[in-house]
Order: sequence, then C-alpha cells, then structure tokens
Amino acid sequence: ETGVTQTPRHLVMGMTNKKSLKCEQHLGHNAMYWYKQSAKKPLELMFVYNFKEQTENNSVPSRFSPECPNSSHLFLHLHTLQPEDSALYLCASSQEPDRAYEQYFGPGTRLTVT
Amino acid sequence: QQQVKQSPQSLIVQKGGISIINCAYENTAFDYFPWYQQFPGKGPALLIAIRPDVSEKKEGRFTISFNKSAKQFSLHIMDSQPGDSATYFCAASLGSNYQLIWGAGTKLIIKP
Repeated sequence: ETGVTQTPRHLVMGMTNKKSLKCEQHLGHNAMYWYKQSAKKPLELMFVYNFKEQTENNSVPSRFSPECPNSSHLFLHLHTLQPEDSALYLCASSQEPDRAYEQYFGPGTRLTVT
Repeated sequence: QQQVKQSPQSLIVQKGGISIINCAYENTAFDYFPWYQQFPGKGPALLIAIRPDVSEKKEGRFTISFNKSAKQFSLHIMDSQPGDSATYFCAASLGSNYQLIWGAGTKLIIKP
C-alpha cells in the first residue's frame, strides 16, 4: 500500500446531508492534498496544506470545507452537495514542496450524491 | 498557459507491442514531468518522472522521451503486458507552489 489511507471508501449521501471524508498519511510528509477525479477529465486540485497551513484553494465551492488538524490527518467536510459533486475524491501527500511531482495517493472515496 | 494536453484518450495494444502516450505543454516554467499509473479502485501511483534538462529516462520497460523545443513528452511502454492495462496520466510540476497540472488520462488496454 501507499501509506495513505482514506475512509470511507464509498459514500452515498443526499443533498441535505452532512458528511466528512477522512485521510491519514503514515509517511511523515509535510504536504497533503484533496483532489476531485471525474471521468475523462484531469484531476482537479481542490486544496493543499503544507505543515497544516492551507496554501491553495482552487475556487472550490464553500459546500466543501477542509480541515487539517495535524500534518498526518486531513478531512473534507461536505454539506448540501449537488449531484454534480458525485466523483472520486482522492487524498495525496508529498514530502517537500520541491518534490510536489512525487505524490502518494490514497485509494479514494467514491461519493454519490442523490 | 497551465494546461497539459494528453493523447490518445484510449489505446489498445497487443501483448508484446509498444504503447506510446503523448503529452504537450505550454508553460516553460514547469520543472518536473511525472507519469502516473492508476488501476481501477486505486489512486494514481508515480511511475517515472523526468526533468526538462534530460531528453530520455528509462526505468525497466518504461521510458520517458522529452522534447524541450517542441514542448512535448511521451511515455513508451516496451513489451507491453496485460498487467500494464491501466489509466496513465502525464503531469507537470511547478515546484514550489505544490501543484501538479494533470493531463486528462489515457486508458490503456493490452490484449493478450
């Protein structure tokens, strides 16, 4: 395995629900990322944290709220999602800023919004 | 321009053949060009990466060819095997801003 775990692996939620995705990395890395992966599209970077500080927020709707309590854990809080938010959500980590090309991914959470 | 354009979208190759996937970029500030491999139910995994001052890098059956003047790079898989069937993504890194710019992916099927 990659050393990055994600839970849950699958999630079905209604548009009025609130849920959270969890990511944990066991690699001692300093940077963590949330991506959205939709079919036949490039991976979309949502958020980047470096040493627990958010460094990037790529115009993500406020219905997605990240939290990084420490450099090993990352959460994505979800509320009032839309059907078009259904996708695979991937968490990744990297060691140093200048090694951003070398990212380690978790298996993802398959999210379905009904 | 921050895009990385990847082609083809899908590719079918006979076992033992050479698989070739191409990518093109515009931004000359990119400092690393990795390729990732993704199997169903898994996240992408780094396969091989190259710096723009190197024209070719080989790791086992996988080779990156880099053409700086044309702003293009490609992944070659020699002696392709059914186990290589996966989706492949090229990407480009801007280093200090933590971001990878991703291609749209190529679904590769190796026929036995």
